[in-house]
Amino acid sequence: ELKVEQNPLFLSMQEGKNYTIYCNYSTTSDRLYWYRQDPGKSLESLFVLLSNGAVKQEGRLMASLDTKARLSTLHITAAVHDLSATYFCAVWGGADGLTFGKGTHLIIQP
Amino acid sequence: NAGVTQTPKFQVLKTGQSMTLQCAQDMNHEYMSWYRQDPGMGLRLIHYSVGAGITDQGEVPNGYNVSRSTTEDFPLRLLSAAPSQTSVYFCASSDGTGFRSSYEQYFGPGTRLTVT
Repeated sequence: ELKVEQNPLFLSMQEGKNYTIYCNYSTTSDRLYWYRQDPGKSLESLFVLLSNGAVKQEGRLMASLDTKARLSTLHITAAVHDLSATYFCAVWGGADGLTFGKGTHLIIQP
Repeated sequence: NAGVTQTPKFQVLKTGQSMTLQCAQDMNHEYMSWYRQDPGMGLRLIHYSVGAGITDQGEVPNGYNVSRSTTEDFPLRLLSAAPSQTSVYFCASSDGTGFRSSYEQYFGPGTRLTVT
């Protein structure tokens, strides 16, 4: 059974600081996703990582994937208030669809 | 393209009632799925379909039925609603797993269901 663990589950940080969210998963997969969710809204796709060593960047967010360690990271650079949201990682399990982590609730304070 | 659409956005049911949550996509995607989101638990897969006429169970299928008569539509039926089915339901679609797939999973806006 595929298990996905995110940490931290809650993060409060100041604007301008850097931080990393970690996503560990238990079995081999060839696809990992990062999503953003604002309160009461749907999931917004941030990144799809398809191979070992994959690194993608969009603005202040950068995601990476290490399939050997079964670890993905979402790095936030010089955080701004608009990045406050809940971030989910999800791992593709083939016929089992996506298995999600519990989410990281991120609050960025001025 | 409208993408993935879901109706209704909100619904309140009494225990024992039945209803259908609608999901449609206009991207000609083969793969469609239903997830439920509960506080502190992320999203969990209920049912999925890899194409018209083909459906299968996910992690939490009990109390739900699905069918896929067309590529575009993938309705989720609650047979006899229970308070434990109070949740937010998301439908998603993707263009499958083939070589030319983008691998993107597109999520609908969600249906917030309360069962009293």
